[in-house]
Amino acid sequence: NAGVTQTPKFQVLKTGQSMTLQCAQDMNHEYMSWYRQDPGMGLRLIHYSVGAGITDQGEVPNGYNVSRSTTEDFPLRLLSAAPSQTSVYFCASRRNAGDQPQHFGDGTRLSIL
Amino acid sequence: DAKTTQPTSMDCAEGRAANLPCNHSTISGNEYVYWYRQIHSQGPQYIIHGLKNNETNEMASLIITEDRKSSTLILPHATLRDTAVYYCIVRPNQAGTALIFGKGTTLSVSS
Repeated sequence: NAGVTQTPKFQVLKTGQSMTLQCAQDMNHEYMSWYRQDPGMGLRLIHYSVGAGITDQGEVPNGYNVSRSTTEDFPLRLLSAAPSQTSVYFCASRRNAGDQPQHFGDGTRLSIL
Repeated sequence: DAKTTQPTSMDCAEGRAANLPCNHSTISGNEYVYWYRQIHSQGPQYIIHGLKNNETNEMASLIITEDRKSSTLILPHATLRDTAVYYCIVRPNQAGTALIFGKGTTLSVSS
C-alpha cells in the first residue's frame, strides 16, 4: 500500500498558467479531499468528494476545479494561476463510513510568480 | 462542525507527559473528537479519536469530560520527535462530512 500519493512535490508557475495537481490513493477509500495550508494557518478545505462522480465545495473553492472519475484519483486543477494560490496543497482520503480516520499525502508545494 | 478552542503554543520537557487541552463547548451528541498532528513540512497524521469514553492507543490517550465540552490529549512520555502542531477537531459520525481544521497548538518538546 502506497497510501495517498501526490505529484508533483514542488512546482513553480507563472501567473495565468494552468496546472493539475495529482492525487491518487490505493486504499479503495470513497472520501477524498483537498486542503491548502498557508504560513501560520491551519489547513483550509478546498473541495471534497464522497465518491466517484460526486464533488462538493469546501471553505475556499474559488479558483480551483476538481473531478472524480474514478475512486482512486482526485485531481485538483488551477485554470489560471494567481499569486494568492501560492501554498502547500494536501490531499487526503478516508473510508466514507462514520468515524474513520483520514490519511494525508505529503503535499505539493506550489509557488506562483 | 462544532468549533474548537486550543492554546496557541505549549512547551514540554522531554520524557514528561504532554497534556494538550481542547474546548468544544458546542459539541453535538453525534460528533466525535479527533486529534491529528503535523510535523514540520509533512502531511497531518491521525493520532486518536473518541465519542464519550476515554481512549488509548500506542501513540496517546484521549480524556473526554463527562459533559463532552472539553478534552485532553495526553502524550505520556514526550520525545523531541513529538514537536509538532496538534489539531483538535470535532466531526459528526456521518459519511461525507468534512474535517475542518483550526490553527492548532504548537507543542515544543525540549531536552
